[in-house]
Amino acid sequence: DIQLTQSPSSLSASVGDRVTITCRASQDINNFLNWYQQKPGKAPELLIFDGSYFETGLPSRFSGSGSGTDFTFTISSLQPEDFATYYCQTYNNVLLTFGGGTKVDIK
Amino acid sequence: EVRLLESGGGLVQPGGSLRLSCGGSGFTFRSYAMTWVRQAPGKGLEWVSSISDRGENTYYADSVKGRFTISRDNSKKTLYLQMNSLRADDTAVYYCARDLGVDVSNAATTPGYWGQGTLVTVSS
Repeated sequence: DIQLTQSPSSLSASVGDRVTITCRASQDINNFLNWYQQKPGKAPELLIFDGSYFETGLPSRFSGSGSGTDFTFTISSLQPEDFATYYCQTYNNVLLTFGGGTKVDIK
Repeated sequence: EVRLLESGGGLVQPGGSLRLSCGGSGFTFRSYAMTWVRQAPGKGLEWVSSISDRGENTYYADSVKGRFTISRDNSKKTLYLQMNSLRADDTAVYYCARDLGVDVSNAATTPGYWGQGTLVTVSS
């Protein structure tokens, strides 16, 4: 089974900061990597799919990149509403796998 | 607007059973693979099970294989999760999710739309 390792597991940042989260897969997953945001008490929300694609309406400050085993999720300028936990997720051989999550809180 | 509404959660004793339901609206239910994901208190997301659009293919995490059964009734636009032999470590919020795109591979890939979740507590 594929393992996804997110880093860091948590970070503290200020409004306006650039934030980068990485997700490393235990084997090549092409670009099959999605990113989710989850706020306390709420369901996760899909932000980025297939590595770097996003649906209409996603703020342009969010982006994803990477292929193979190493992926990056970036918030170019952190906003107050972005304080949340972020998860990466992949799919392989009909199994879905989530990373451990990265909690972004206020410095 | 895509809407998913879970129900059926509650308190159950270890070894007991529970059936979760998830009703879908605002989309053609029969065209999408569906998934259950759970989240234990204070923990991360864990994939539980997925089912193809017509229900002919089902997939399970090792942690629930043999105890949980996923199914769907497309005429009722409803997804189910039958949970048997429940254990304390099954305690979690259970979310149902619809895949982002229509099912072309008989498997879920990207949970794109999520319900609000239903809490299952396994305790004596």
